[in-house]
Amino acid sequence: DAKTTQPNSMESNEEEPVHLPCNHSTISGTDYIHWYRQLPSQGPEYVIHGLTSNVNNRMASLAIAEDRKSSTLILHRATLRDAAVYYCILTYNNAGNMLTFGGGTRLMVKP
Amino acid sequence: DTEVTQTPKHLVMGMTNKKSLKCEQHMGHRAMYWYKQKAKKPPELMFVYSYEKLSINESVPSRFSPECPNSSLLNLHLHALQPEDSALYLCASSLSGPHYMGYEQYFGPGTRLTVT
Repeated sequence: DAKTTQPNSMESNEEEPVHLPCNHSTISGTDYIHWYRQLPSQGPEYVIHGLTSNVNNRMASLAIAEDRKSSTLILHRATLRDAAVYYCILTYNNAGNMLTFGGGTRLMVKP
Repeated sequence: DTEVTQTPKHLVMGMTNKKSLKCEQHMGHRAMYWYKQKAKKPPELMFVYSYEKLSINESVPSRFSPECPNSSLLNLHLHALQPEDSALYLCASSLSGPHYMGYEQYFGPGTRLTVT
């Protein structure tokens, strides 16, 4: 099964961009890359997902390396509300929506 | 309405009690999930229902018994739990079943369970 590696924690200043990295060197050709985040005392929240091309939505952008062995979640302007644990998850070949959460990155946003 | 609701928010139960957790969604989703999350750990998948049928059971002990009475409702029946079962229990739903790629899951806020 393909695994992801993320830094345990990162810090950012409010109103600055944040780049959250994720390594997934054993990704297979049909694995989707999903990002979820979990704010304190809440359930996880979907952020974005992609397969090969970069993706943008109202919350964030997802930049996927050409070889797909890494990806970066980009928050364009961090706010205090973005302080959360961010999970990078691969949905395994033929496993569709099966989410196996790894350790995630705890993002701290300083005012 | 993009909300998954869970009741109760908090539950304290003894090891001999029987209780149930409830999850509801009205988004027309046909897949529903139960996850368990221990403190400071990531969520772990327990069960998946697809079109009201149990699709996946991740080797969960029989003291946890899921039920999907209809496409909007998911229950988790609890019996003879142990203190180590204390955790946040999260429910989620998605548009289609677990073997369809790329559909996001919507999570509820969870039920915080304490077993004494």
